[in-house]
Amino acid sequence: DAGVTQSPTHLIKTRGQHVTLRCSPISGHKSVSWYQQVLGQGPQFIFQYYEKEERGRGNFPDRFSARQFPNYSSELNVNALLLGDSALYLCASSLQGAQPQHFGDGTRLSIL
Amino acid sequence: GIQVEQSPPDLILQEGANSTLRCNFSDSVNNLQWFHQNPWGQLINLFYIPSGTKQNGRLSATTVATERYSLLYISSSQTTDSGVYFCAAFTGGFKTIFGAGTRLFVKA
Repeated sequence: DAGVTQSPTHLIKTRGQHVTLRCSPISGHKSVSWYQQVLGQGPQFIFQYYEKEERGRGNFPDRFSARQFPNYSSELNVNALLLGDSALYLCASSLQGAQPQHFGDGTRLSIL
Repeated sequence: GIQVEQSPPDLILQEGANSTLRCNFSDSVNNLQWFHQNPWGQLINLFYIPSGTKQNGRLSATTVATERYSLLYISSSQTTDSGVYFCAAFTGGFKTIFGAGTRLFVKA
């Protein structure tokens, strides 16, 4: 079975632009979570979605938004990009919220 | 919110040595996981261990939920064990909080 897949793997944007990152969960998993990992730090929780509803939100500005589709895939959107948004963005899926999370390989976002 | 603290922050071992990594959390949690992040950034599941003890080869983990800590044991370390080890706690508020990690380097 395929693991969690994320696209694109790398992305370069400039300040002020908008970006959309995509995540496909493991088949049968209904929960998707998003994390931001800045170099040298641990992943920071952004959102958790379960059955297409937002269940948890971290301390990120409203420029960050996400949604989950009927097939349980998910998108993370970031508006008005700042230099500080440069990071590895990780997606994880699980059967449901508190179950073991499985991570994709991430999207490396660079802001110029 | 819940705080997750890991120790030590950095660890250098000679190949073949044993080590213990610690994770303290400030409140009760619904789930605790240990991950290994390799040099390519991939987060690899090691253990899902909200309580009790589990073993997988040279690795084992123990979580004492009532005392709010978890330990990861690495025995007979190998150079391929190098990387960053994270613990992550899932809270009742549907959030997952990661510790800052323990950076392990195993010398040949």
